[in-house]
Amino acid sequence: NAGVTQTPKFRVLKTGQSMTLLCAQDMNHEYMYWYRQDPGMGLRLIHYSVGEGTTAKGEVPDGYNVSRLKKQNFLLGLESAAPSQTSVYFCASSRGGNGYGYTFGSGTRLTVV
Amino acid sequence: DQQVKQNSPSLSVQEGRISILNCDYTNSMFDYFLWYKKYPAEGPTFLISISSIKDKNEDGRFTVFLNKSAKHLSLHIVPSQPGDSAVYFCAASAGDMRFGAGTRLTVKP
Repeated sequence: NAGVTQTPKFRVLKTGQSMTLLCAQDMNHEYMYWYRQDPGMGLRLIHYSVGEGTTAKGEVPDGYNVSRLKKQNFLLGLESAAPSQTSVYFCASSRGGNGYGYTFGSGTRLTVV
Repeated sequence: DQQVKQNSPSLSVQEGRISILNCDYTNSMFDYFLWYKKYPAEGPTFLISISSIKDKNEDGRFTVFLNKSAKHLSLHIVPSQPGDSAVYFCAASAGDMRFGAGTRLTVKP
């Protein structure tokens, strides 16, 4: 009964380095999302996917890329990390679109120095 | 361009009393509204939702009210318990979901 699992939980990157955050869900959900949480800003949508092989941009997509090669996995990539990308990243999944509550992972705290 | 706003960063309430958390939105296309609860070092968890065709939805101690003409929704928790102490996020959906900045609720014993 894992739900949504995010790895890693913590990471420190140097400016310019790249990394991939992995999100895995075991609920057979079609929709998956990546959010970032910053103080005073709430959760902002980076990218999302409405099914295997699909991706779409959210509110703040610049500097990030995503892939959904398998239904259960949604990867978030940072090609060249910047200090402005220091944040807590949350992955979520849902059965459908409107009205369905999201199931969130426990987050990845990323610091870019 | 924050389409969902929670103007109170924090709220403190005595145990047993009512907690009222407020949320305003600007986009009239939103048709579902949700509340999430978040404890430290955990992801948000879904609490309660309401469709734009309703004005009230109740689930145990939690009730959400929607005033479409004012573009305002509120979450009532009655009676408040110390375990309700958390950050509460308001969210609205018209396809993808937009979140407010959150309100930290503290329920004092």
